[in-house]
Amino acid sequence: GQQVMQIPQYQHVQEGEDFTTYCNSSTTLSNIQWYKQRPGGHPVFLIQLVKSGEVKKQKRLTFQFGEAKKNSSLHITATQTTDVGTYFCAGGLGGSYIPTFGRGTSLIVHP
Amino acid sequence: ETGVTQSPTHLIKTRGQQVTLRCSSQSGHNTVSWYQQALGQGPQFIFQYYREEENGRGNFPPRFSGLQFPNYSSELNVNALELDDSALYLCASSLEGARGNEKLFFGSGTQLSVL
Repeated sequence: GQQVMQIPQYQHVQEGEDFTTYCNSSTTLSNIQWYKQRPGGHPVFLIQLVKSGEVKKQKRLTFQFGEAKKNSSLHITATQTTDVGTYFCAGGLGGSYIPTFGRGTSLIVHP
Repeated sequence: ETGVTQSPTHLIKTRGQQVTLRCSSQSGHNTVSWYQQALGQGPQFIFQYYREEENGRGNFPPRFSGLQFPNYSSELNVNALELDDSALYLCASSLEGARGNEKLFFGSGTQLSVL
């Protein structure tokens, strides 16, 4: 089963509202990656974080890696309809860098 | 587009049959990973091939087997199909294998239905 937990499973927002998804593991992660999958599509790589406490930004998206390297978050500011999709975190478990995916958070943006 | 191609795009099989799925990796990539994605779930790691050798395996039974060729393309074989094998099978290529740079480039997947 999945060893990388992700919440919430679904999130409905009005366009312009912010959105955050959280990722947690019981064990230390080698790294954390984030992917986006549009409905009917395949996962597309967004970013990778490796260092403890690392923060990276991509336009309206902010990614954080926890100090203990056991959790991560993705925050989207002022959502747009183009942000619709499922966001997956994927972490390297047990010293491996092979990504183990969370269940994903599906973002629904209402215009 | 990622340059990772998978075939076929859709497949219907009956329980007990065998299936082979194919993947061509992105140019320059030497590692291929296979994932199974059930509806509403995240991709689950099946196995990875690095330079034609199996480099890691997830919690899947031996009837799931794979192969990587010298040109780094890959096959996923599933024997004795079960109804629960119905899923989207994703192939992802990357560079350097388990060396700390596992950025995955996914293909569009093969949607397998087992009846």
